[in-house]
Amino acid sequence: DAKTTQPPSMDCAEGRAANLPCNHSTISGNEYVYWYRQIHSQGPQYIIHGLKNNETNEMASLIITEDRKSSTLILPHATLRDTAVYYCIVRPAAQAGTALIFGKGTTLSVSS
Amino acid sequence: GAVVSQHPSWVICKSGTSVKIECRSLDFQATTMFWYRQFPKQSLMLMATSNEGSKATYEQGVEKDKFLINHASLTLSTLTVTSAHPEDSSFYICSAPEGASYGYTFGSGTRLTVV
Repeated sequence: DAKTTQPPSMDCAEGRAANLPCNHSTISGNEYVYWYRQIHSQGPQYIIHGLKNNETNEMASLIITEDRKSSTLILPHATLRDTAVYYCIVRPAAQAGTALIFGKGTTLSVSS
Repeated sequence: GAVVSQHPSWVICKSGTSVKIECRSLDFQATTMFWYRQFPKQSLMLMATSNEGSKATYEQGVEKDKFLINHASLTLSTLTVTSAHPEDSSFYICSAPEGASYGYTFGSGTRLTVV
């Protein structure tokens, strides 16, 4: 799986948009970008994924650059409950036999 | 969505005893279960992969005789930490693939403390 690079930490004010970047310059054509987050002492939670088009769901938006070498996860109105470690993972789809491999992620701290 | 129920959420045990952690897929069949370990302020580290009806495969450096994994049914996988020692104290998390493109569902984790 392609390697990803994320900033170790970010801060965001409550109510503002949180933009979390991820670099994946070695991504292959069949690899998706997945985002998960882990709130302290809980299991990771799926947020969103995409291949090349921008995606949006009830939790977040995912913006993928045209060359697919980087992406940004956007939490449009961050709340205190969004404080967590956010992981960007690149991997092929439908490989149910292989595990997600986690990097160090970005620790997002949302403050009031 | 799919749910993986993990129990117990926390356990304290004495050094030398064994502890079993269970993960159940509640509304889907988990032919595969991944087990992770997470030390404080570190990321999740994959320990092993269990497949229903076959032997688990372990990542390099993980002792298979110490971390016994059983996946006897399509809805239940267990991890037994045998002869636990304080250095085994960690957060253990299971995960199962549930769909085609994104469906990795995680358990809520088990905090193991060995005293």
